[in-house]
Amino acid sequence: AQTVTQSQPEMSVQEAETVTLSCTYDTSENNYYLFWYKQPPSRQMILVIRQEAYKQQNATENRFSVNFQKAAKSFSLKISDSQLGDTAMYFCALAGNNRKLIWGLGTSLAVNP
Amino acid sequence: GAGVSQSPSNKVTEKGKDVELRCDPISGHTALYWYRQSLGQGLEFLIYFQGNSAPDKSGLPSDRFSAERTGGSVSTLTIQRTQQEDSAVYLCASDRTLDTIEQFFGPGTRLTVL
Repeated sequence: AQTVTQSQPEMSVQEAETVTLSCTYDTSENNYYLFWYKQPPSRQMILVIRQEAYKQQNATENRFSVNFQKAAKSFSLKISDSQLGDTAMYFCALAGNNRKLIWGLGTSLAVNP
Repeated sequence: GAGVSQSPSNKVTEKGKDVELRCDPISGHTALYWYRQSLGQGLEFLIYFQGNSAPDKSGLPSDRFSAERTGGSVSTLTIQRTQQEDSAVYLCASDRTLDTIEQFFGPGTRLTVL
């Protein structure tokens, strides 16, 4: 079975600082994809970043980057220069051959002014 | 272009009634997914469509749940004889194909069963 674990239910960071959200996963498949989604209070789930497991290079999207450690099955999200608008729930998710997303329980991030 | 839309935004119903939740995917997206987000269970997969067919219904929690998709576009999730444990946010997502692996989500329907 595929599982995704987020061990940090809540985190906070000061505006302009850097924060790292943790995610570990388990899968027996060789080809899979990892995602970080953001869900603000509006409830809209927004894709932040995705990583193909066969790519060794860590994905980067502007202020968001990941540290993908395939052997350790770890996929952390780093948010640089945190902004107030980054306040949201962040979900780590995994998609294997069947393409359905398996989700972690989320990390609630608060960015403080 | 327009994103994924869902209706209604909120639905309050009485236990035992049937409800229909609607999802309009992004135009041209062939893959469509339904997920449920509840306080106790987090996010869970319900069903997905490739075109109008549903190859994987394994996530539907009971036979009270069904879904269909017509014309390769709009999808309806139906819950019959609703129970209080069905209260949750129902999220729909679409993807260009099954292989692009980039799901775009709608705003969800919050269902409350009294």
